[in-house]
Amino acid sequence: SQQGEEDPQALSIQEGENATMNCSYKTSINNLQWYRQNSGRGLVHLILIRSNEREKHSGRLRVTLDTSKKSSSLLITASRAADTASYFCATDIPLDNDMRFGAGTRLTVKP
Amino acid sequence: EAGVTQSPTHLIKTRGQQATLRCSPISGHTSVYWYQQALGLGLQFLLWYDEGEERNRGNFPPRFSGRQFPNYSSELNVNALELEDSALYLCASSLAKKASSYNEQFFGPGTRLTVL
Repeated sequence: SQQGEEDPQALSIQEGENATMNCSYKTSINNLQWYRQNSGRGLVHLILIRSNEREKHSGRLRVTLDTSKKSSSLLITASRAADTASYFCATDIPLDNDMRFGAGTRLTVKP
Repeated sequence: EAGVTQSPTHLIKTRGQQATLRCSPISGHTSVYWYQQALGLGLQFLLWYDEGEERNRGNFPPRFSGRQFPNYSSELNVNALELEDSALYLCASSLAKKASSYNEQFFGPGTRLTVL
């Protein structure tokens, strides 16, 4: 079963704008990870945030985590057409043996 | 360093047949995960192997099975194929998972299975 739910399901913006995607989950987690998937291909790991962290940056990416609300957000600043992809959050759950992925947000960045 | 590799890239089968998908993990990784991604949907966890043993299984029928070999490569077998089995099957590998530890998974490019 899926743990994370991304919101929105699809997002379309102009190049240069910021893109914000949200992820909500249901149970306590060890960490939360964001992945990117170009059309029909494998996933690429973007960033991991641990349950005791609130914010993390990596280049143009900013991830926040609010464990009280069981939610995370991924912000991509100054978006580029090459950022067009699907973005998934994945949660690593204590005492569990797999990561749970959400259904993803499909981001389209128009040149 | 080579990444996770999967074969074949594409596989076309007819209903009722069997499909075998293969995955080679990154060198040094002992855990292999299989996921199913139906068109337009998220990843559904199928199976996790570590050190040759099945560690966990997702909510899939028994006709989805697999194994991990001594060199840590893995096979996913799908018997009695149904139309709804058409999907992208992704394999990922990681270092051995320990409780409450960081567990980044590195994904292969996937095998697209089409059932006619």
